Amino acid sequence: DVKVTQSSRYLVKRTGEKVFLECVQDMDHENMFWYRQDPGLGLRLIYFSYDVKMKEKGDIPEGYSVSREKKERFSLILESASTNQTSMYLCASSPPPLRGGYEQYFGPGTRLTVT
Amino acid sequence: GDSVTQMEGPVTLSEEAFLTINCTYTATGYPSLFWYVQYPGEGLQLLLKATKADDKGSNKGFEATYRKETTSFHLEKGSVQVSDSAVYFCALSKIYNFNKFYFGSGTKLNVKP
Repeated sequence: DVKVTQSSRYLVKRTGEKVFLECVQDMDHENMFWYRQDPGLGLRLIYFSYDVKMKEKGDIPEGYSVSREKKERFSLILESASTNQTSMYLCASSPPPLRGGYEQYFGPGTRLTVT
Repeated sequence: GDSVTQMEGPVTLSEEAFLTINCTYTATGYPSLFWYVQYPGEGLQLLLKATKADDKGSNKGFEATYRKETTSFHLEKGSVQVSDSAVYFCALSKIYNFNKFYFGSGTKLNVKP
């Protein structure tokens, strides 16, 4: 079974803090994704990565950055947390289509509260 | 651009009722279509998928058919159970675009005993 793990299920941070959210997958997937989930808005893509050290902006990258130094790990960084970044953050991974996989596999999510 | 629209919830049904959750999409080319389910406090799990027109995805009694002529992928189940209470997301992906996904806003299903 594919396993995607996230470093924390719940996190509370103060405004202005630098926040790191970590995601690890154990299936040697090339593609990894970070989403935020908000009521009524569904999932919105923040950033994704298709290889080590490679990253692309998603639909809402402002206020976020990412790091992918190793294939299995994809980190989301909030440089200076703000209250409007309070949300559920979901990490996902998938193999490239040429390897036959189409679906994305999700971690359990991190609920971040910024006060 | 590519997008997915699904019916707003919440949808409240009695146990053993018939379920339909509507999903339509806008996309160029030939997207793959998915339904994901999210139980309380958990991440998303793949429920079913269809990768080309007229394909039917099915799993755990749920079904959806990829209808290119109506750009739809409606989710159906003949007899829902209390344990089906969850949020359901329709999504599309373009495999030649890094397998990026586009999700609908989600539909919450409440099933009462």
